[in-house]
Amino acid sequence: AQSVTQLGSHVSVSEGALVLLRCNYSSSVPPYLFWYVQYPNQGLQLLLKYTTGATLVKGINGFEAEFKKSETSFHLTKPSAHMSDAAEYFCALGQAGTALIFGKGTTLSVSS
Amino acid sequence: DTGVSQDPRHKITKRGQNVTFRCDPISEHNRLYWYRQTLGQGPEFLTYFQNEAQLEKSRLLSDRFSAERPKGSFSTLEIQRTEQGDSAMYLCASSSQVGEQFFGPGTRLTVL
Repeated sequence: AQSVTQLGSHVSVSEGALVLLRCNYSSSVPPYLFWYVQYPNQGLQLLLKYTTGATLVKGINGFEAEFKKSETSFHLTKPSAHMSDAAEYFCALGQAGTALIFGKGTTLSVSS
Repeated sequence: DTGVSQDPRHKITKRGQNVTFRCDPISEHNRLYWYRQTLGQGPEFLTYFQNEAQLEKSRLLSDRFSAERPKGSFSTLEIQRTEQGDSAMYLCASSSQVGEQFFGPGTRLTVL
């Protein structure tokens, strides 16, 4: 069965610090992997996606993620956190045109 | 195009009442998905359509839930005889055949 595990339901960083949000997956077929961000009372916005090809994926707002097949991981990073990055982040797994399987989410808090 | 829209944004109802939600996808997208998100959890897949055909339904979609996409454009999700456990955010997303999913702002349902 396919699944997504996000390690750490809550991550706190200081403004300007490195952001690292962890995601591990389980899939019997080559996965498509996604990171979405959700602000309070809003829908989900796609940050970045991995389908095939280059394993280091760059997204919006300075975020990037690296697909590591050997570790079944797709961790999200940003070199320098901004206050505006505070939100809920979801890792998701799927194939082209199929329903997504989401992790439980990680709340990112950024302090000044 | 303004993206995926959902109506209403908020719905409060009494237990036992029926409710209906509407989703308008991005116009050129032929796939439409419904997800449910409860507090502190990631979205969970309910059902999806390709054009007007409902291709997959999750086991979460009990007999009280029904979804339609009559002309392959907008979709409705109806919940009959609502229960307090139905309280959640209902998210709609759309995509092209193989593209990423774009989410609407969601409809928050509260069952009293």
